[in-house]
Amino acid sequence: AQTVTQSQPEMSVQEAETVTLSCTYDTSENNYYLFWYKQPPSRQMILVIRQEAYKQQNATENRFSVNFQKAAKSFSLKISDSQLGDTAMYFCAFTSLRGGAQKLVFGQGTRLTINP
Amino acid sequence: DAGVIQSPRHEVTEMGQEVTLRCKPISGHNSLFWYRQTMMRGLELLIYFNNNVPIDDSGMPEDRFSAKMPNASFSTLKIQPSEPRDSAVYFCASIRDRGSAGANVLTFGAGSRLTVL
Repeated sequence: AQTVTQSQPEMSVQEAETVTLSCTYDTSENNYYLFWYKQPPSRQMILVIRQEAYKQQNATENRFSVNFQKAAKSFSLKISDSQLGDTAMYFCAFTSLRGGAQKLVFGQGTRLTINP
Repeated sequence: DAGVIQSPRHEVTEMGQEVTLRCKPISGHNSLFWYRQTMMRGLELLIYFNNNVPIDDSGMPEDRFSAKMPNASFSTLKIQPSEPRDSAVYFCASIRDRGSAGANVLTFGAGSRLTVL
């Protein structure tokens, strides 16, 4: 079974700083996708970024980028120039395409606080 | 598109009562998922449907939980009888599942916060 581990329950940084959230996963699959979701206090789950395992290039979305290390099964999220609105729970998630079904497996989450 | 719509947003009930949570997926999405979020266990997949058919219900905690999807635009998650340990936020999510052709993005509803006293 696939597992996703986020080893940092909480993080806190000052506004405008850069912060990196860690995520590791375990799978025997070769074809899969990884995601970072954000959950602000409103509790809405919002997709931040996704990465296809067969792509070497790290995904980037504006201030958000990932460091995908397939051999190490590591998928960290970097937030540059952090803003107060980035304060949220961040979840790393994995899905395999084996069997033709997409089931997201989530990590436990990292609570990120951006301080003014 | 209005997104995935869940109701109610909040429900407070007493132990032993029946609870029904509702979900309307995004039109055109063919897979629907029910997740439960608690502080202790994080986000757990309870059950998912593909083309209205339950595919995997291994995450359903016990027989008190049941889910249905009578048509492509509606699903329910029912708890009967409810217990205090069922208190959680329940999320519905939907996706246009392309199978092995590639991963689309799972879209979540706003969640239903259930409190069982």
